[in-house]
Amino acid sequence: QSALTQPASVSGSPGQSITISCTGTSSDVGGYNYVSWYQQHPGKAPKLMIYDVSNRPSGVSNRFSGSKSGNTASLTISGLQAEDEADYYCSSYTSSSTPYVVFGGGTKLTVL
Amino acid sequence: QVQLQESGPGLVKPSQTLSLTCTVSGGSISSGDYYWSWIRQPPGKGLEWIGYIYYSGSTYYNPSLKSRVTISVDTSKNQFSLKLSSVTAADTAVYYCARDVTAAGSFDYWGQGTLVTVSS
Repeated sequence: QSALTQPASVSGSPGQSITISCTGTSSDVGGYNYVSWYQQHPGKAPKLMIYDVSNRPSGVSNRFSGSKSGNTASLTISGLQAEDEADYYCSSYTSSSTPYVVFGGGTKLTVL
Repeated sequence: QVQLQESGPGLVKPSQTLSLTCTVSGGSISSGDYYWSWIRQPPGKGLEWIGYIYYSGSTYYNPSLKSRVTISVDTSKNQFSLKLSSVTAADTAVYYCARDVTAAGSFDYWGQGTLVTVSS
């Protein structure tokens, strides 16, 4: 069982917007502004899309945005494109006992 | 451009120790600006953070693996390594090394990953 909860799957049509949620606790998502989001295509290494809740690394499309409210973080993808179809994972810093990093179980995004 | 490359045996017998090395190019581990991590992904499953090391040798491990994990660094070779002891089939996974920008899970550069299978 993953420490952070994500929906198993989401879908959307090209051009639409979708949001993926990532729910944790006050010891991780809710307690720190250290939530990251990763995109993973089959057979490839994950790619950092969002860090520190809402910051985009250089080169990542501005169609990707992140936010947080309480113990739930969200990744929104606007103007959905075929190449956005992938698995998405959230991660958060936590220090409930000792500092470490926890991941969500992943969400499969299907572009219809 | 920073690059990371994992290396090590692809097959390990149960109860033995899994050993992997990550070689970093295009940047120095000794720069002190980053933390260097190991992350794994069982086939068809999600990501699991194993632990990270700072160039000074300071380490932090996933509590669920802490008793079996050792991460070390060799700054002269610009490498860091993972040892996981007493492996079982549950440790079969693609193992990634990655650079953490914030020591809080912002992994901006990843290796391509290496599949390690635990089987007799």
